[in-house]
Amino acid sequence: GQQVMQIPQYQHVQEGEDFTTYCNSSTTLSNIQWYKQRPGGHPVFLIQLVKSGEVKKQKRLTFQFGEAKKNSSLHITATQTTDVGTYFCAGLRSGAGSYQLTFGKGTKLSVIP
Amino acid sequence: GAGVSQSPSNKVTEKGKDVELRCDPISGHTALYWYRQSLGQGLEFLIYFQGNSAPDKSGLPSDRFSAERTGGSVSTLTIQRTQQEDSAVYLCASSLAVGRATYEQYFGPGTRLTVT
Repeated sequence: GQQVMQIPQYQHVQEGEDFTTYCNSSTTLSNIQWYKQRPGGHPVFLIQLVKSGEVKKQKRLTFQFGEAKKNSSLHITATQTTDVGTYFCAGLRSGAGSYQLTFGKGTKLSVIP
Repeated sequence: GAGVSQSPSNKVTEKGKDVELRCDPISGHTALYWYRQSLGQGLEFLIYFQGNSAPDKSGLPSDRFSAERTGGSVSTLTIQRTQQEDSAVYLCASSLAVGRATYEQYFGPGTRLTVT
């Protein structure tokens, strides 16, 4: 079945440093979504990427979708303590009228003030 | 408007008992998902309902797990003969649809299940 791998599993950064998490799929994706889960909270949607090579920005966050639509990344510039949480990607694979959305295991970000 | 709600928020049960977890999706959302999240772990897909189609049960870990969605709205996840390894947070999510135009999932606050 489809697998969506996320690396790294954990990341500790000093406040102000940059952070990147990577998402890789074994199959071509129709689109990819990113979610953030704060400690003790539930996942909250951040963004969806659909087009090959697409890049979207939200303030200090930059999301990319690979040309082959098999990988994606989330980059945070100059991390802040409010960025703490676990970031999940979710890839959608479609074919023959069926759709399967698979979440990666997430990258847990800790920011040291 | 109201988001996804789940009840109970916490459930402690004895090993071997049955439990029912409830999810009220956002009104008008045709897709509904159940996930399980163990402490500090990722999201484990359990089951997905889309409109009147047969549910995708491919993620259910055993035949002790079942789910229903009545009238295309409220869903109940049932775990029979609970085991300690069933202890986790059970998250429900809903979205407008799943298809070529996939919509974001809105998650509920979860039910924390503890099996003693």
